[in-house]
Amino acid sequence: GQNIDQPTEMTATEGAIVQINCTYQTSGFNGLFWYQQHAGEAPTFLSYNVLDGLEEKGRFSSFLSRSKGYSYLLLKELQMKDSASYLCAVRGRGGKAAGNKLTFGGGTRVLVKP
Amino acid sequence: EPEVTQTPSHQVTQMGQEVILRCVPISNHLYFYWYRQILGQKVEFLVSFYNNEISEKSEIFDDQFSVERPDGSNFTLKIRSTKLEDSAMYFCASRGQGEVEAFFGQGTRLTVV
Repeated sequence: GQNIDQPTEMTATEGAIVQINCTYQTSGFNGLFWYQQHAGEAPTFLSYNVLDGLEEKGRFSSFLSRSKGYSYLLLKELQMKDSASYLCAVRGRGGKAAGNKLTFGGGTRVLVKP
Repeated sequence: EPEVTQTPSHQVTQMGQEVILRCVPISNHLYFYWYRQILGQKVEFLVSFYNNEISEKSEIFDDQFSVERPDGSNFTLKIRSTKLEDSAMYFCASRGQGEVEAFFGQGTRLTVV
């Protein structure tokens, strides 16, 4: 099975940096995703890591350590619009034709204050 | 930009009634998914679909649930006899061959009363 843990909530100040950690235990691993979800809306893709290391994409970066079952999402130069939930998700292996479902953590709600 | 579309955006139904949630995945995508999110809880996988058959399903996806791709564009989720605990946001997603990202639709909020 899959078990994915991330903090429930974080608060940060506009312009600051916030790091959201995610730890996972999985029976199969085929990549780790971070999604952003505003209240009542669909998750939107932020980043993907399948190999160890850091992936940078503008103000957002994501890091993966497969040996430690650990990832983090780094949000820099926080803006008010970044207030949202950030979902860590692991893509598994298995199922016919590599269906590769995503298993999500509970999400981290980030509140950006002025 | 191509997107996954879902209808209706909100559906209210009485317990025991059948509902069909509709999705139009991005054209030329081959992998289709349904997820659900009960209010305040995490997004949960229901089922994946490829090559006109279910490739994987979760424990949630019991005999009350079924999926269908009736034509070349629609992908539907049917719940035969809804229960109060089926109340949730249902998200459809699709993914192209060899692509990493699954694109999510805006969701259908299902309320069972």
